[in-house]
Amino acid sequence: DIVMTQSPDSLALSLGERATINCKSSQSVLYSPSNNNYLAWYQQKPGQPPKLLIYWASTRESGVPDRFTGSGSGTDFTLTISSLQADDVAVYYCQQYYTTSPTFGQGTKVEIK
Amino acid sequence: QVQLQESGPGLVKPSETLSLTCSLSGGFISDDYWSWVRQPPGKGLEWIAFIHDSGTTNCSPSLRSRVTISVDTSKNQFSLRLSSVTAADTAVYYCARGGASSKYFDLWGQGTLVTVSS
Repeated sequence: DIVMTQSPDSLALSLGERATINCKSSQSVLYSPSNNNYLAWYQQKPGQPPKLLIYWASTRESGVPDRFTGSGSGTDFTLTISSLQADDVAVYYCQQYYTTSPTFGQGTKVEIK
Repeated sequence: QVQLQESGPGLVKPSETLSLTCSLSGGFISDDYWSWVRQPPGKGLEWIAFIHDSGTTNCSPSLRSRVTISVDTSKNQFSLRLSSVTAADTAVYYCARGGASSKYFDLWGQGTLVTVSS
């Protein structure tokens, strides 16, 4: 299995600040022939199912605010929230779908300071 | 609007079999991949298994010996059976669309809590 490791485990920032969440995979999730990274990001609020934010490492799902940006390639990826809003309080997960056994990172909890 | 809804017992005894069904509304279960994902209380997400209506399946290596996943296209449903459960199987169980290679999870059910206890 590909192991996904996120950092930090949690972060607390003020409203309007930039949030950066990192995700590292134990092997590359870049499929070279298509140049696609098989990496997704999800947001999960308390008591709710995960919500898809980003797929192919940097493609925003329909309806996701443009303050959410995904970047990176190969084994190192980042989710950036450009200006943190109260509604962004949640746990964020990265996930690889490069193999037929998808795996998630352990999650990063984002809070307001 | 396409929606997924899990159903099944909320309490299962140790050593017994957990059985859940996911019903799709507003769409068709044909020609797509469907998964089960679980989340123990206060912990992260764990993919369990996926199925395609063609019959293609795959399961998490750590659960493979205990998992059966099936699909009923006539009812627009797919199901999970997890045998020989223990307290470690207590979790919120989600059904979702996706899970195979090149398939992210773009649609989720609300989840159902299954507690394993005598």
